[in-house]
Amino acid sequence: GENVEQHPSTLSVQEGDSAVIKCTYSDSASNYFPWYKQELGKGPQLIIDIRSNVGEKKDQRIAVTLNKTAKHFSLHITETQPEDSAVYFCAASTPLNRDDKIIFGKGTRLHILP
Amino acid sequence: EAQVTQNPRYLITVTGKKLTVTCSQNMNHEYMSWYRQDPGLGLRQIYYSMNVEVTDKGDVPEGYKVSRKEKRNFPLILESPSPNQTSLYFCASSLTGTYYEQYFGPGTRLTVT
Repeated sequence: GENVEQHPSTLSVQEGDSAVIKCTYSDSASNYFPWYKQELGKGPQLIIDIRSNVGEKKDQRIAVTLNKTAKHFSLHITETQPEDSAVYFCAASTPLNRDDKIIFGKGTRLHILP
Repeated sequence: EAQVTQNPRYLITVTGKKLTVTCSQNMNHEYMSWYRQDPGLGLRQIYYSMNVEVTDKGDVPEGYKVSRKEKRNFPLILESPSPNQTSLYFCASSLTGTYYEQYFGPGTRLTVT
């Protein structure tokens, strides 16, 4: 079945540096790729998403890139700040299929070091 | 305020005692879903519903039931809880499906002894 691999599982970066989290997916029919941020004690919250007709999307310090040929997509956070410390999840969905499921990666715990 | 609410937030119960976790959204969303979150396993979809009276299995449906009698509510039922269902549960909703942003509830931490 559909699988989403996410790396790394833990990432520590110095404040002000960039962080990159990578995901690969198995179903070539997947066409929607959201990224969620989960702060301690809270539910995940969407921070950025990309659809399959776009190769890159940017929102201030956050960007996502998609390579459909290689079936991977990445989250880039520039100029990291302490409030970026959280767990990040990537996901892939194929909503045009009969089964409107979504598969999440296992998550990346990002630590921003002072 | 647009939100997804879950109750209870914390629950400790014993093996075999039926329980229900409620979920409600006030955004008139058609799609609702339940997830469980376990260390090292991320978020796994249990059940989802694309509209009233329409439910379908996610990746880990065993031991769970759901119902969607009203658009705003999507309760998760554990008929006979077991210790391996100890987990953090999230309800989520979105406009019409997984192609749109999902709004997550605050989570329910369940412990089955």
